Amino acid sequence: AQTVTQSQPEMSVQEAETVTLSCTYDTSENNYYLFWYKQPPSRQMILVIRQEAYKQQNATENRFSVNFQKAAKSFSLKISDSQLGDTAMYFCAFMMGSSNTGKLIFGQGTTLQVKP
Amino acid sequence: DGGITQSPKYLFRKEGQNVTLSCEQNLNHDAMYWYRQDPGQGLRLIYYSQIVNDFQKGDIAEGYSVSREKKESFPLTVTSAQKNPTAFYLCASRRTEYQPQHFGDGTRLSIL
Repeated sequence: AQTVTQSQPEMSVQEAETVTLSCTYDTSENNYYLFWYKQPPSRQMILVIRQEAYKQQNATENRFSVNFQKAAKSFSLKISDSQLGDTAMYFCAFMMGSSNTGKLIFGQGTTLQVKP
Repeated sequence: DGGITQSPKYLFRKEGQNVTLSCEQNLNHDAMYWYRQDPGQGLRLIYYSQIVNDFQKGDIAEGYSVSREKKESFPLTVTSAQKNPTAFYLCASRRTEYQPQHFGDGTRLSIL
């Protein structure tokens, strides 16, 4: 069975600085997708970034980028130039590519506090 | 604007009562999902449906039931058999294979 682990329950960063959130996963599959979702205090789940396992290039979306290490089964999220609006809970999620059910497996989440 | 609408935003259940959470989407998505989120934890899958009139159990389906009579709608019933229903419930949908899921704003269910 696939598992996703986020080992940092809470993190904080000063505004304008860079922070990296960690995520590791376990799977025997070779074809899969990884996601980072953001859940601000409003509780809405917002997709931040996605990575296809078959792509070697790390995904980037503006200030958000990932460091995808397939062999190490690691998928960290880097937030550059942190803003107060980045304060939220961040979830790493895994989806198998060989199955068309679209089931997501979530990590436990990391609460990020951006300080002014 | 297209999106996923969950209602109500807050819901209270009495002992022995069944309650139904609504989830409607106008995104023309085929697949829909229900997740449960407990404080400080990640999301766990309750049920999902990939086509109308068909649905499958997720990891924590006991005490819950669903229906999928229309493509746009995927209501979740929390039955009296669910002994610990207090949680935040999120509905999601996605268009096709390998597309990310989009989420509604959630319903918070509490016990009276």
